[in-house]
Amino acid sequence: DSGVTQTPKHLITATGQRVTLRCSPRSGDLSVYWYQQSLDQGLQFLIQYYNGEERAKGNILERFSAQQFPDLHSELNLSSLELGDSALYFCASSVFRESYNEQFFGPGTRLTVL
Amino acid sequence: AQSVTQPDIHITVSEGASLELRCNYSYGATPYLFWYVQSPGQGLQLLLKYFSGDTLVQGIKGFEAEFKRSQSSFNLRKPSVHWSDAAEYFCAVTNYGGATNKLIFGTGTLLAVQP
Repeated sequence: DSGVTQTPKHLITATGQRVTLRCSPRSGDLSVYWYQQSLDQGLQFLIQYYNGEERAKGNILERFSAQQFPDLHSELNLSSLELGDSALYFCASSVFRESYNEQFFGPGTRLTVL
Repeated sequence: AQSVTQPDIHITVSEGASLELRCNYSYGATPYLFWYVQSPGQGLQLLLKYFSGDTLVQGIKGFEAEFKRSQSSFNLRKPSVHWSDAAEYFCAVTNYGGATNKLIFGTGTLLAVQP
């Protein structure tokens, strides 16, 4: 158990819909990362937040957005869903100071778009 | 741009045999390198990491990896594979001291273990 929690574990929805994925980081971790794992794209970085502020963006679609709240949990919002958005979405957290700190991964949310 | 290549998509070994999974990276500065393992239906677990110093690093579950700068490689090894090692293995790279330490992953190597 990494200490990172993600809800829900599974999500099945239809094209055109909007969903919200939730992540609670490990206690004390200020940085949250979102990654997408799909058959087409593999594991890719989407976005990072640090203490409530966006820190870095990867290949995140404009239909996707994220935020980190004052209690440090994060939500990834996916809208106008397409079949190709079906994937496993991971959240990771780390302390993140200037030197590297290990990222701890949650169990993921599996999104299926029908 | 940073990138990671794992040339082997799928590898099958016999239980008790040795294992080597290949990883090549492309990065301008000194990379931070990692190996993660993903069991079916599970998240990612860190096996080992290389930041600097000794180029042979030891990890959990009996795994080790060797950093070879001249070959831009960071291959993962295990002397004797167990059936429970069947999983997907990902090599990853990040930078040091940058604005972000996002991970760049390879495409993964799926390991099957024959009895």
